Amino acid sequence: EVKLVEYGGGLVQPGASLRLSCEASGFTFSDFYMEWIRQAPGKGLEWIAASRNKANDYSTVYSASVKDRFTISRDTYKSILYLQMNTLKPEDTAIYYCARDFSGILPFDYWGQGVMVTVSS
Amino acid sequence: DIQMTQSPASLSASLGETVTIECRASEDIYSNLAWYQQKPGNSPQLLIYDANSLADGVPSRFSGSGSGTQYSLKINSLQSEDVASYFCQQYNNYPYTFGAGTKLELK
Repeated sequence: EVKLVEYGGGLVQPGASLRLSCEASGFTFSDFYMEWIRQAPGKGLEWIAASRNKANDYSTVYSASVKDRFTISRDTYKSILYLQMNTLKPEDTAIYYCARDFSGILPFDYWGQGVMVTVSS
Repeated sequence: DIQMTQSPASLSASLGETVTIECRASEDIYSNLAWYQQKPGNSPQLLIYDANSLADGVPSRFSGSGSGTQYSLKINSLQSEDVASYFCQQYNNYPYTFGAGTKLELK
């Protein structure tokens, strides 16, 4: 059974850092692109970062809104996807989801339950 | 970036009715278009991929169509469990982008 479980969210002050984790199981982690998508309260979905698969050297892509502040990475031995978030802003307040993507061919067929990040003083 | 324009923003329909949601891309996305359903408090769920392919376990009353820049999601014989928000998404190239969503309610 495919499972994605995020954790690491919480309440932080503007300018702080936070690292989210997404533990994957039930599939071959290295075969899949892994992505982070967020949803501000009551708003739509925003894709923010991707880690391509092993065949593509785990290369990364970012949205303009998080580039240079957020870093996506993975621990291939533990099958964990990370999102290191630095210099957090109030507009980063959202539910953060991880999702898998089969090489950009089959889009997000499995999502985690999401983790809330609140940036507020 | 590819802009996804989704309409309507909200929709009210009766049980058994057929509803259609539209999505327009700002450029050709070559059918690299997915539809998701999101119920309150839940993660999005993939309904349709490649514009018209039904994801595993999705009821056949859901269907997708379109090509180029114009796409649509149709729900036949609306059921109470279809009350949700629906989002389109292009995955033709990064940055992947979503439509603003359609909130479907029962009349």
